[in-house]
Amino acid sequence: AQSVTQLGSHVSVSEGALVLLRCNYSSSVPPYLFWYVQYPNQGLQLLLKYTSAATLVKGINGFEAEFKKSETSFHLTKPSAHMSDAAEYFCAVSFSGYSTLTFGKGTMLLVSP
Amino acid sequence: DVKVTQSSRYLVKRTGEKVFLECVQDMDHENMFWYRQDPGLGLRLIYFSYDVKMKEKGDIPEGYSVSREKKERFSLILESASTNQTSMYLCASSLWESAGTGELFFGEGSRLTVL
Repeated sequence: AQSVTQLGSHVSVSEGALVLLRCNYSSSVPPYLFWYVQYPNQGLQLLLKYTSAATLVKGINGFEAEFKKSETSFHLTKPSAHMSDAAEYFCAVSFSGYSTLTFGKGTMLLVSP
Repeated sequence: DVKVTQSSRYLVKRTGEKVFLECVQDMDHENMFWYRQDPGLGLRLIYFSYDVKMKEKGDIPEGYSVSREKKERFSLILESASTNQTSMYLCASSLWESAGTGELFFGEGSRLTVL
């Protein structure tokens, strides 16, 4: 069975600081991995996805994530946080094009001036 | 602009009422999904559909049913609402071959309160 674990339900950073949101996955086959973002009172939108091409994946709004098979991780980073990055972030996993996504419990990113 | 529209953003219902949550997408997507979002639990899949009149149970289907009579519309039904179904409900859609590898497009959510 596939699953993802997001470490930390809340992460607080200062504006301009590095953002690091952690995600570890469990999958018996090579996974497809995703990060989604949810801004207040909105639905989710895709930030980036890993589908077995390059291990370093770049997404929208300056975010990127690196697939590390040895660590079963897919952590999300951004070099410099903006106030507009404050949102909830979800990691998700699937194991084929015809399966459904399994989401993590989410990490709320708080950005202070 | 592509869109998934959930007809009701906020609903308040009484215990035992029948509740319909409607979702319409304009992208000609084959797949449609209903998720439930609760604080600290993330998103959990209730039901999904790969085609008209087809439905598959997700992880938490108990207490829910769905209907897909047209490709663009996917309805979630609570036959007899209970207080533990108070939650945010999110609808999503995707292309048929992309359920697991592609992008899901989400609506803005329907926040249901059952009193």
